[in-house]
Amino acid sequence: DVKVTQSSRYLVKRTGEKVFLECVQDMDHENMFWYRQDPGLGLRLIYFSYDVKMKEKGDIPEGYSVSREKKERFSLILESASTNQTSMYLCASSLSWGAPPGDEQFFGPGTRLTVL
Amino acid sequence: DAKTTQPPSMDCAEGRAANLPCNHSTISGNEYVYWYRQIHSQGPQYIIHGLKNNETNEMASLIITEDRKSSTLILPHATLRDTAVYYCIVRYFGNEKLTFGTGTRLTIIP
Repeated sequence: DVKVTQSSRYLVKRTGEKVFLECVQDMDHENMFWYRQDPGLGLRLIYFSYDVKMKEKGDIPEGYSVSREKKERFSLILESASTNQTSMYLCASSLSWGAPPGDEQFFGPGTRLTVL
Repeated sequence: DAKTTQPPSMDCAEGRAANLPCNHSTISGNEYVYWYRQIHSQGPQYIIHGLKNNETNEMASLIITEDRKSSTLILPHATLRDTAVYYCIVRYFGNEKLTFGTGTRLTIIP
């Protein structure tokens, strides 16, 4: 089974801190994604990556950056955390580019980040 | 991507079939219909997808109308573990993004 793991289930940080959220997948997937989920807004795509060192902005990239130095690992970085970045962060990965079958996304359990 | 419309919530008795509708009236010919679900405190989970034919797998069946403007996800024998938010997503070939709406909160009643 595909496994997507995230470094923390719960995280509490202070305003202005630099925050790293780590995601690792073990199935050699090319594509990796970072979403945030907020009540009433559903899941929104922050960034995605389709290869090592490649990244594309999603729908809400402001205030975030990403890093993908190895195929299995995709990091989300909050350079200076703010209270409006309090949210559930979900990482996902997928095998192929675009067309089914094989392009379904596998999600990690999520990291609930609170910024005080 | 075409926009989807789902009822915000539904109930279903345990052991009965749960039928979750989705409208996607602006769907285009090369757009697929995907269903995911999210159980409380977990990440979303892929269920099934289809283009124009009905599809079935070990989790569910997907019925797409002939004009492709709507679809129904069927969980044939719902259990309490099927309580979750179900998302219907329309996505075209070559688009790596999934656009999640607010989905349908399905509650299975014992």
